[in-house]
Amino acid sequence: SAVISQKPSRDICQRGTSLTIQCQVDSQVTMMFWYRQQPGQSLTLIATANQGSEATYESGFVIDKFPISRPNLTFSTLTVSNMSPEDSSIYLCSVEDLSLRRDTIYFGEGSWLTVV
Amino acid sequence: GENVEQHPSTLSVQEGDSAVIKCTYSDSASNYFPWYKQELGKGPQLIIDIRSNVGEKKDQRIAVTLNKTAKHFSLHITETQPEDSAVYFCAASTGGGADGLTFGKGTHLIIQP
Repeated sequence: SAVISQKPSRDICQRGTSLTIQCQVDSQVTMMFWYRQQPGQSLTLIATANQGSEATYESGFVIDKFPISRPNLTFSTLTVSNMSPEDSSIYLCSVEDLSLRRDTIYFGEGSWLTVV
Repeated sequence: GENVEQHPSTLSVQEGDSAVIKCTYSDSASNYFPWYKQELGKGPQLIIDIRSNVGEKKDQRIAVTLNKTAKHFSLHITETQPEDSAVYFCAASTGGGADGLTFGKGTHLIIQP
């Protein structure tokens, strides 16, 4: 399966600041996604990162708060802007891996953000 | 949109017994149903998945069944071991995964020695 690396793995952030999370995949993938997992909760899709165009956001998530870039088929970034304590979550990068078969979805280890 | 319900929220079984986790989904167009295991401090790990053209799939001690008519699918773990203790999530997608996943709320599986 594709190897997904996220940076940072953990961070403590000050209220009002912004942080950019990087996701690097070791092979080209068509689909990349960003999810949020609030403490003790399930995973919620934030957006689909589209290569060379604007990301597609799910209801409740907006580009101003969560700008996403995807310059190529192996890399994406998610920025969490103007952070508040409610943004304390695990942010997960996910990809569709075509190396084995279509439509198999894998996740990175996540970026654990705490906002103080 | 899709809604996925997962039960139970917590499941405690004796080591060596079987565990069953059940999920229902709302969108009849869903066609991809993966299961993930998440250990403390780690990302979700894909353990098995099933597509809508198959009713059952097995991989060693893990099996998944799908009933499209009733819109439910289940995870079965046999001969449970202490390392099976984790949170398990079911998910569903209408686009074979390419549309993103809708997750259940998770089941905390506890294997009692």
